[in-house]
Amino acid sequence: DTGVSQDPRHKITKRGQNVTFRCDPISEHNRLYWYRQTLGQGPEFLTYFQNEAQLEKSRLLSDRFSAERPKGSFSTLEIQRTEQGDSAMYLCASSLGGGGEQYFGPGTRLTVT
Amino acid sequence: GENVEQHPSTLSVQEGDSAVIKCTYSDSASNYFPWYKQELGKRPQLIIDIRSNVGEKKDQRIAVTLNKTAKHFSLHITETQPEDSAVYFCAASSGSARQLTFGSGTQLTVLP
Repeated sequence: DTGVSQDPRHKITKRGQNVTFRCDPISEHNRLYWYRQTLGQGPEFLTYFQNEAQLEKSRLLSDRFSAERPKGSFSTLEIQRTEQGDSAMYLCASSLGGGGEQYFGPGTRLTVT
Repeated sequence: GENVEQHPSTLSVQEGDSAVIKCTYSDSASNYFPWYKQELGKRPQLIIDIRSNVGEKKDQRIAVTLNKTAKHFSLHITETQPEDSAVYFCAASSGSARQLTFGSGTQLTVLP
């Protein structure tokens, strides 16, 4: 499968724990985006990378969230001290350049109990 | 920032009929408008897109129209089939990140 992949697909964690998600974009895509989707809503932009540089962060991304893309390939999104409000689907998308089509991964569904 | 409104939120049509979903956007700098189809538990899947230098684009049974002056764009699905049943999201690309701002989605149900 040459599409965007994400791991894990599901994560259940207790409030206060830290979690980390991984995204592997389409190999030639230099842009990588993270979105969050809650039930019944469209995805909301969190942050994006061009190659290894994180260039923009949404106001939604509190200081408990951190994202990296160390070698310009895969990316990780970490949430520290999880809260119940963090429960959502975390989607990763990649594109070739700005303005290109964004292709989404299957998402990681996070449940915070 | 950009704001995208989408309606209707739910739409039921008989198989073979047409379906139309409409979106409006606020940022005149937005220049790329994709549509995604999302089935339950699946990833959003790009089905068609349009750029601001084009007024209409068609791909088999689906078409998208864009009115830049009025800041609205629409998805048209003809000859609907039960497998078209899904949630459809419109989006607009803006900002230096070219991030997508999504509408709230339309649950399309095609009745056999």
